[in-house]
This record gives sequence, structure tokens and C-alpha cells, in this order.
Amino acid sequence: EVQLVESGGGLVQPGRSLKLSCAASGFTFSDYYMAWVRQAPTKGLEWVASISYDGGSTYYRDSVKGRFTISRDNAKSSLYLQMDSLRSEDTATYYCTTDKAHFDYWGQGVMVTVSS
Amino acid sequence: IQMTQSPSLLSASVGDRVTLSCKAGQNINNYLAWYQQKLGEAPKLLIYNANSLQTGIPSRFSGSGSGTDYTLTISSLQPEDVATYFCQQYNSWTTFGAGTKLELK
Repeated sequence: EVQLVESGGGLVQPGRSLKLSCAASGFTFSDYYMAWVRQAPTKGLEWVASISYDGGSTYYRDSVKGRFTISRDNAKSSLYLQMDSLRSEDTATYYCTTDKAHFDYWGQGVMVTVSS
Repeated sequence: IQMTQSPSLLSASVGDRVTLSCKAGQNINNYLAWYQQKLGEAPKLLIYNANSLQTGIPSRFSGSGSGTDYTLTISSLQPEDVATYFCQQYNSWTTFGAGTKLELK
């Protein structure tokens, strides 16, 4: 059974940093592109970033370019999102997903609140 | 690419045939997925490539359309189908629609 379990969320002040992690199991992690998708409270879904099988290619939405860094460790079947210079508009639930352009499997999500 | 879903809220009865619409701002060449999100849960992929049913999804769900106009149909609404449904295009980067909230009448 595919499982994606996010961790690392919480309350953080504007301008500070936070690192999200996602532990994957039940599939061959290195065979999949992976992504982070977020959802602001009571809002819709927004793709944040994607990473290729070996981490050699990364892609970001414009609003997070230069502030967020997606990475992976295939030996640990883990995905990460380093979030720097956080803004109030980054407040959302962040989901770890497998990425085939469409998003097949999702974690349960982790909440990030950016507030002073 | 802008994705417009309609209606934003839909009320229907158990057993009804339900149709949800998603319109793209330009041709997306059938690169269209549908997701179901129940309250407090993560989204779940239902349909990809406009009309391919994801493994494990009941056959009462189907997708159709082409070009800019796409439809998700539930052939016979069940109580467990109460949820918000999102469409997603992946022809050019990726964007989601704002969602259709489906409730029981």
C-alpha cells in the first residue's frame, strides 16, 4: 500500500524558515517524480514544486522561486521542502504527492501557518 | 492556463446523474484530471487524461470532453460522493480549478 507521511509543519513567523519532510513507502520511490501541492484554508489546490527521479531537475511556481527548495533522498525514500523567507500567503496545508503530471497518490498533509 | 469549474455548488439527490463542468482557457489536449476531496481529507485522483479511470475508483465516475471543455459524470449519486471536486490541467505546467462542492439535496 502506498503511504506518504508528511511532517515538519507548524507556526512560524514571517521571514523565518521551515523544512517539511515526506516519508514514502509501498512503492519504488526512485521510479517517481515527486511534488508538493498546497491548499490555503478554505481555498483550492496550488502546485508548489516538483522534482525528477534522481533530483537532477527541479521545478517551482513563480511565487516560491528563490525561497523554496525541493529535494529528495532516494536511499531514505524521502522528499523534502525547505521553505525560507516565509510569507503570510504561504499559510496552507502542504501535501506530498507522486507526480505523473497528474497527482496519483497524496499524503495526509501538514499545516504550515505563517504569522507573527 | 485558467480553469473554470461550474457550478461552484451543486445539490443533488441519491441516485441522480450528476454532471460537473470544467472549462480551460485554451486547448489542453485532454491533459485533464479530476480529484475528489472529502472534508478533512487529502484529494484523491479519480480520472486522468480526461477519461481514464484511476485504479480502484468506482465505475459510476466517468470523464469526457476535449479541447477546452470537460465533464465529470457520476451516473448514480451515492451518499459517500459528497465532496468537493477539482479539475487540473497539465498541458502547460499545471493549474487547478476552484472546485465544485457537491452536496445532498
